[in-house]
This record gives sequence, structure tokens and C-alpha cells, in this order.
Amino acid sequence: GDSVTQMEGPVTLSEEAFLTINCTYTATGYPSLFWYVQYPGEGLQLLLKATKADDKGSNKGFEATYRKETTSFHLEKGSVQVSDSAVYFCALSDRSNYQLIWGAGTKLIIKP
Amino acid sequence: DAGVTQSPTHLIKTRGQQVTLRCSPKSGHDTVSWYQQALGQGPQFIFQYYEEEERQRGNFPDRFSGHQFPNYSSELNVNALLLGDSALYLCASSLEVGRTEAFFGQGTRLTVV
Repeated sequence: GDSVTQMEGPVTLSEEAFLTINCTYTATGYPSLFWYVQYPGEGLQLLLKATKADDKGSNKGFEATYRKETTSFHLEKGSVQVSDSAVYFCALSDRSNYQLIWGAGTKLIIKP
Repeated sequence: DAGVTQSPTHLIKTRGQQVTLRCSPKSGHDTVSWYQQALGQGPQFIFQYYEEEERQRGNFPDRFSGHQFPNYSSELNVNALLLGDSALYLCASSLEVGRTEAFFGQGTRLTVV
């Protein structure tokens, strides 16, 4: 079945460092891809999405490009802030049923 | 717009008991999905409701059941609670037309003792 694999955390960076969180997927069709963020004590918030190959999703300085050839959707940010500390989830949805399949999450810790 | 609201926020139950969790979707949304998120893991899909019917179901036993009301709000019921049912239960709403992205509530933290 469909699945999502994310790099294990925690990822610890200093403020203003460059961020990459790797995400790869397995899917039989052509899924939509998402990054969600979960701040401490809060629910999940959609960070960005891409619905077809080569699409780039972006929001709040974060970017991710849908790479069909490598089945990847890596999350990047050029300069992280302490406020970016959270757990980041990569997810996919099959176009036929919209059920979300999730990665295990990557905890990001940004130190001042 | 209040977004997706869930109640209660926290709950403690004893093994063998039954629990009901509630969800009000974002205004205008007609589809509700429920997820279970164990500590340190990603959410797992339980089921999805549309037009008051269960449309899809994940790999969860029949102890997990649900309902959607005419106003699109939804309930998740879990019978014969097990310690392993302790988790954060998340409700997500979306709009069927155009298959919009899901918006999540804050979740209900269920602890089974």
C-alpha cells in the first residue's frame, strides 16, 4: 500500500541555519503531497501542498517540490527561526479517496 | 470562523469503558475524518464520514464506530477500551466538492487507565 517515510528526528539547528527534512513516498497512483506542522499542544496545520509532479508548494519561507522521478517531497527553509520549532509531518493523499497517509513526523528544535 | 472544534480536550477512562468524542467541522465543510495519533507517531486514519455515512475505513476494529449528523458534526465512539487506545484523537474536516485539503481540530487526548 501507499506509505510515507521521513527522516528521523530530532533535528537540532541554530537560528538562521538552512533546513532540509527529507520525505519520500510510495504510491500506486498520482497522489497529492502535503507538509503539516504541529506546534506543542496544538493540532495539525497545513504548511504547504503540491498536487502534481514538479509543483512547488511554499508558505512562510518553507518550500517543497514534488519530484516524481525520485518520489520525494523534501521540506526546505533558507533561514530557520526559534519559532519554527515544532513537529513536521509529510503526508500523501490518494486522489480517489482523499485518505491521508502520514510519515512518523520529524521534531525540529531551533536553538537561539 | 471557529475552525474545527473538538470536545472534550482531555479525557481519562478505565479499561472496558466506552467513550464518545465529538467534532464540529469548519463552517461549510461536509466531510469529517477521524485519526488516531499515538505519542511520537504520525496519525492513523480511522474512518471518514460524508452524507451521514461511513465512506472509508482504516485498519481499526469494530470497537471504533462513528456517526455524522445532518449538520455535518460527527462523533467517534470507542467501546471496550484498551490501554492501547490511549492517544490523541484528531478530527479533520474538508469539502467534498473539489476535494479540498483537510483542516484539523486541536484533538482530544484520551488516556485509558
